[in-house]
Amino acid sequence: DSGVTQTPKHLITATGQRVTLRCSPRSGDLSVYWYQQSLDQGLQFLIQYYNGEERAKGNILERFSAQQFPDLHSELNLSSLELGDSALYFCASSATRGTQYFGPGTRLTVL
Amino acid sequence: ILNVEQSPQSLHVQEGDSTNFTCSFPSSNFYALHWYRWETAKSPEALFVMTLNGDEKKKGRISATLNTKEGYSYLYIKGSQPEDSATYLCASPGKAGTALIFGKGTTLSVSS
Repeated sequence: DSGVTQTPKHLITATGQRVTLRCSPRSGDLSVYWYQQSLDQGLQFLIQYYNGEERAKGNILERFSAQQFPDLHSELNLSSLELGDSALYFCASSATRGTQYFGPGTRLTVL
Repeated sequence: ILNVEQSPQSLHVQEGDSTNFTCSFPSSNFYALHWYRWETAKSPEALFVMTLNGDEKKKGRISATLNTKEGYSYLYIKGSQPEDSATYLCASPGKAGTALIFGKGTTLSVSS
């Protein structure tokens, strides 16, 4: 158990819909990262937050957004969902620098 | 754009065999090299973080070395066991304290 929690574990929705994925980092970790793993793709970095502020952006679509709240939990919002958005979404957290600890992931299926 | 490459893509060994795989990364602007083990239906689990040229880390039967001057790291597994079957990922941050850029992994399958 990494100490990072993610909810929900599974999500099935329809095209065009909007969903919110939630992540709680390890106690004390200020950085939260979101990654996407699609079929036949490696882990792709989406976005990073540090202590409530956006720190870095990766291959994140404009239809996707995220935020980190004062209690340091983070939410990833995915809107106007398409079939190709079906993937495993991981959240990871770390202290200022160093090892990133991954949550169990949310498997999103868009039908 | 930072590019992290891993080889081989997959590997099948017999129980008791020792094996190793490679991670290549740009040698300029190096910050750190991470190794993760990712078992099916689980989340990636951190194995090592290495930062200094010549670093060697060991955890049980698994060890790793780092050469930052030539831009590679090796992961070694001694006496492979079926429970070592997993995908092994290496990753490096583009900048210190930022997100990891992952290689596509080496998938190891160990037969008993």
